Amino acid sequence: QVQLQESGPGLVEPSETLSLTCTVSGGSISSYCWSWIRQPPGKGLEWIGYICNSGSTKYNPSLKSRVTISVDTSKNQVSLKLTSVTAADTAVYYCARVGGGNSGYPLDYWGQGTLVTVSS
Amino acid sequence: DIQMTQSPSSLSASVGDRVTMTCRASQSITTYLNWYQQKPGKAPRLLIYTASSLQSGVPSRFSGSGSGTDFTLTITSLQPEDFATYYCQQSYSTPYTFGQGTKLEIK
Repeated sequence: QVQLQESGPGLVEPSETLSLTCTVSGGSISSYCWSWIRQPPGKGLEWIGYICNSGSTKYNPSLKSRVTISVDTSKNQVSLKLTSVTAADTAVYYCARVGGGNSGYPLDYWGQGTLVTVSS
Repeated sequence: DIQMTQSPSSLSASVGDRVTMTCRASQSITTYLNWYQQKPGKAPRLLIYTASSLQSGVPSRFSGSGSGTDFTLTITSLQPEDFATYYCQQSYSTPYTFGQGTKLEIK
């Protein structure tokens, strides 16, 4: 069974960089694309971007200038960096696996999420 | 970006009821439509992919239909554990986008 676990600081100061790691177990990270999604408290879901096994990335244009997603296959980890954060970036951040093309690329496995608060 | 609009925003129903909620895309997404269930404090859970395919382990009382721009999620014989918020999401093109959610509450 594939499991995902997000980790990283729960508090980030304004203008700093948010850095999170998603550790994948129970399956190879190399065979799929991996996505980050966030959810501000009490609000809906926003797709941040994904990275595929080829190293190719796609980002949400609303965040593109500030986001970097990378993968470390030796550690089975996917990372997210978001620069120049503001209070508007306060959210629960989830990582998720992107299912294959034959299933229409759904987000089929999710981590439990980690709350990141931007505040001084 | 493709906009996803869900209706209603909230829905009250009783255990045993049959409920239907809808999701509309701002342009055709063929059947690249997924449904998720989210309970408070938990991650979303995939229920339906490609508009009508049931994810492994999901009870058969959940079903999805539609293609193009209009989609529905139906839950027959509501169970207590089904009261949650439901989101649709298109995976037709990036940026992937979600609907705003339908909150299913106990009447």
